[in-house]
Amino acid sequence: QLVLTQSPSASASLGASVKLTCTLSSGHSSYAIAWHQQQPEKGPRYLMKLNSDGSHSKGDGISDRFSGSSSGAERYLTISSLQSEDEADYYCQTWGTGMRVFGGGTKLTVL
Amino acid sequence: EVQLVESGGGLVQPGRSLRLSCTASGFTFGDYAMSWVRQAPGKGLEWVGFIRSKAYGGTTEYAASVKGRFTISRDDSKSIAYLQMNSLKTEDTAVYYCTRDWGGYSDYWGQGTLVTVSS
Repeated sequence: QLVLTQSPSASASLGASVKLTCTLSSGHSSYAIAWHQQQPEKGPRYLMKLNSDGSHSKGDGISDRFSGSSSGAERYLTISSLQSEDEADYYCQTWGTGMRVFGGGTKLTVL
Repeated sequence: EVQLVESGGGLVQPGRSLRLSCTASGFTFGDYAMSWVRQAPGKGLEWVGFIRSKAYGGTTEYAASVKGRFTISRDDSKSIAYLQMNSLKTEDTAVYYCTRDWGGYSDYWGQGTLVTVSS
């Protein structure tokens, strides 16, 4: 079964970097994912597509502070030089034949 | 500029029906699959379903939680995607988002429309 697992919460200080993790279920380590950001009281926004080899393509206007990387079944979103507006929920998404799957989301707090 | 605007949300009683619309602009609508995603109050994102482009048969796929009750359709001449929701349940209460589906993932999102199912 295709499942994405995310830690419910993370925190980091203003100006620091943070690395969020999305883990693909067993047998699906070659799958690409997408990362989305949802700021408080707003709709989600697409950040990037992230492939299993770590290559990624970002959405329109997404800051260079956002980057992605991969290792095995893990997909990472790194946010550098954290700003207050980065405080948000971050969701990963993947897909299979006839289905789309979202992770449970990680709530990022900027201290 | 790609824009997706949902409409049609509101308060509806359990067991009744509601149809949501998603009006698209800024891209060739007919070339893309379109997805619906919902978010219950205080919860995460849940994929509802999607419709393929006509080039891929215009067929639909649904999450198990809505299969048989919800139907997605599209009118490429008007650049509109629809979500017909029948036999609504209280657990269908959510903000419903329309997204452009690019090879499996959502690359643009609408602002969402709230559906409240309550007596």
